[in-house]
This record gives sequence, structure tokens and C-alpha cells, in this order.
Amino acid sequence: QKEVEQNSGPLSVPEGAIASLNCTYSDRGSQSFFWYRQYSGKSPELIMSIYSNGDKEDGRFTAQLNKASQYVSLLIRDSQPSDSATYLCAGDSSYKLIFGSGTRLLVRP
Amino acid sequence: NAGVMQNPRHLVRRRGQEARLRCSPMKGHSHVYWYRQLPEEGLKFMVYLQKENIIDESGMPKERFSAEFPKEGPSILRIQQVVRGDSAAYFCASYATESSYNEQFFGPGTRLTVL
Repeated sequence: QKEVEQNSGPLSVPEGAIASLNCTYSDRGSQSFFWYRQYSGKSPELIMSIYSNGDKEDGRFTAQLNKASQYVSLLIRDSQPSDSATYLCAGDSSYKLIFGSGTRLLVRP
Repeated sequence: NAGVMQNPRHLVRRRGQEARLRCSPMKGHSHVYWYRQLPEEGLKFMVYLQKENIIDESGMPKERFSAEFPKEGPSILRIQQVVRGDSAAYFCASYATESSYNEQFFGPGTRLTVL
């Protein structure tokens, strides 16, 4: 069964620190990976997409992909209390997305 | 995301009733996915539809659940004879056929409560 694994957390970091979120996946056929942010009671919001090995930066967010290790990560620089949410990692598998169970991030003021 | 629309936002049903959830994709998108999120769990794929076609329903329970995406109008997820275990958030997502990377954008969801 194709899976995406994440540590459920919570991951607690002080305001201004770097938050590092990690994810592993089992389907070697997956080509695209996504990070979604979900606030409590809200819908998932796409914040990063990555398709190639290496790093992709967008503002305070950096996504990293290592296909050989089947590993995806998300770094959030200068973390803010408003970043406190659950972060969902997803990989595509036969044109549907397989989601991890999410990592809860708490940024302490 | 202002593009993907779902209604109702909240739906309460008694056991044995039917639930109908509606989804209108973003303008220009003709691919619709339905996902279910049980309390404190991740999102689980249910079904993938294009206009008038079910492409993949491997995540749908075999009984009581059905989905459609007619030529005109929204996509409908229908749950017959609801049970308490159907209580969950149901999200619809869409993506553009021009995208090579399956970036999916989610609607606000329908929160179904079965009494």
C-alpha cells in the first residue's frame, strides 16, 4: 500500500526560529510532491510544490526533495505564531494525492 | 480559495437519511477529486471525476456512496443511509488540465454530522 509518513508532532519552535518538517513516501513512481497548510477547522491550502530533486524556495518557505531517499522536507524560516497549523505532505500517485497524517506546528511567541 | 465552491458548509443528518454534497470546481478546471477527513486524521482519497466520467473510485466505500459530475452543474457526492461513522469533513479539490503536476486546490469543505 502506497504511503506517506509524517511525524504527528507537535513540533514546537520559538518565534523567529526555523521550523523543519519531514516526510517520507513509499511510491517510487511519485513525481510531484506538495505541502499543504491546514488551520483547525479549515481546508488545506497549497503552499509549496516540488517536482525535481533539490531545493525550491518561495519566500520564507523552502521545500527539499530527495527521490533516492524518498524524502521530502519543508523549512519555514523566521517562524511566526500565524504559522501554527497542521502541515500536510502529499505525493501524487496515479493522478491522485496520497496524504500523510500531518505534522502539527506550534510557534511560541 | 475563492475558486472551488462547496455547499452546504455544514450538514446534519440523522442515521438512515441521505446526504448530498455539492462541489463546483475552479473556473476552467474540469477535474474534480473528493477527499474525506475523519476527526484527527489525514485526508483520504475517495474518487476522481471528469465531466460525465468517473476516472478512479478506488477510495469510495463499496456501498452507500456514489459520485457524479454531470455535463452541466456541480459534482455531487451522495451518501445514502448515513451512519455515525460517516461523520467527517468532505473536501473537494480541482486542478487544471493544463497543469502537468496535479496541483490541486481545495474547497472549504462540507462538515457532515450524523446524529
